[in-house]
Amino acid sequence: GAVVSQHPSWVICKSGTSVKIECRSLDFQATTMFWYRQFPKQSLMLMATSNEGSKATYEQGVEKDKFLINHASLTLSTLTVTSAHPEDSSFYICSASKPTGPNEKLFFGSGTQLSVL
Amino acid sequence: DAKTTQPPSMDCAEGRAANLPCNHSTISGNEYVYWYRQIHSQGPQYIIHGLKNNETNEMASLIITEDRKSSTLILPHATLRDTAVYYCIVTPTGQAGTALIFGKGTTLSVSS
Repeated sequence: GAVVSQHPSWVICKSGTSVKIECRSLDFQATTMFWYRQFPKQSLMLMATSNEGSKATYEQGVEKDKFLINHASLTLSTLTVTSAHPEDSSFYICSASKPTGPNEKLFFGSGTQLSVL
Repeated sequence: DAKTTQPPSMDCAEGRAANLPCNHSTISGNEYVYWYRQIHSQGPQYIIHGLKNNETNEMASLIITEDRKSSTLILPHATLRDTAVYYCIVTPTGQAGTALIFGKGTTLSVSS
């Protein structure tokens, strides 16, 4: 089956630094990828839609200048948390859509646990 | 907002069938019912989806009522590894680029 690889699995950083998270579709080309954030004991919240070769679309309340998304190729999207602060500590998950018509499914990465000290 | 309603939690004995209900009374004609699950600290895993017919795969069965206003996910022989949060999501499909909107899901606890 299709696989989405997300790296790193976890990262600890100091407040004020930036962190980059990579999301790769391993065996298919993903025109569109999605980034979610999940706080403890809460559901996944959609942050942004990443489109290859164009600017990402951010959900209301998500700061585009803080969460930089780059989707430079059909198999790679990156999320950079800039000037991270403790309140940015969360579980970040990417997903990619494999367009197969009526049987389309979203495949998810394994997630990145970010802890900002 | 999520378009589905699920019980917050359910318990199931190992080896028994787990039946997880989902209400989606406002589902549109072009929307499918998808089920995903999330084991602690992992990304969501696809389970099954359907439009109006019942579906079965190696993981589970999906029963959709005739009026499509509700569905049930059935795990025929639950194991401890099935302990997870189960999400029922309705969404149009066939449209690459449609994000899934997650509700609160059902936390299924399987015990021995």
